[in-house]
Amino acid sequence: EDQVTQSPEALRLQEGESSSLNCSYTVSGLRGLFWYRQDPGKGPEFLFTLYSAGEEKEKERLKATLTKKESFLHITAPKPEDSATYLCAFSNAGGTSYGKLTFGQGTILTVHP
Amino acid sequence: DTAVSQTPKYLVTQMGNDKSIKCEQNLGHDTMYWYKQDSKKFLKIMFSYNNKELIINETVPNRFSPKSPDKAHLNLHINSLELGDSAVYFCASSQVPYAEAFFGQGTRLTVV
Repeated sequence: EDQVTQSPEALRLQEGESSSLNCSYTVSGLRGLFWYRQDPGKGPEFLFTLYSAGEEKEKERLKATLTKKESFLHITAPKPEDSATYLCAFSNAGGTSYGKLTFGQGTILTVHP
Repeated sequence: DTAVSQTPKYLVTQMGNDKSIKCEQNLGHDTMYWYKQDSKKFLKIMFSYNNKELIINETVPNRFSPKSPDKAHLNLHINSLELGDSAVYFCASSQVPYAEAFFGQGTRLTVV
């Protein structure tokens, strides 16, 4: 069965303390792996799409990487404004997962000044 | 310009009532979705439309009925509301069914 699991559930960092969030997935025929950021009371905000193992994408302090079983969201020298819930999702070009994004449960990131 | 907009943002209603949530996207996308986010913040697909055609209908009670009058709009009508329907409902759209989706700001539904 296609599924995605994120870890840790919650992560507390000091400002400037780099770390990584993990997204483990099992899917037949991965079409895309997505990272989103969600702030309280808001809708998920799209960050990155990764299509194949070995691919990397960067945006400011965030870098997303993809292997055949996992994706990582690396946060370098985080700031308090990076505090949010980070969601991972995948899409499948065929089968029962076609036409939707399947989300993980998210990692709640808190960055203290 | 808001890319995906849904109304209302908040909806408080009594059990047994019927309510609708409207969604519009101005991104020119072919695919639109309704997602439900429960109290544990887990996002789960409810419906997906591609070019106005229903392509995903998850195990959702038939009290929930989506309607897509055109590619830019996807509305959600809910009959006979129950306490368990309280959640945040998100509309989203994507270029094609497997591409990244862009979300609206959500509708917080509270059934009392």
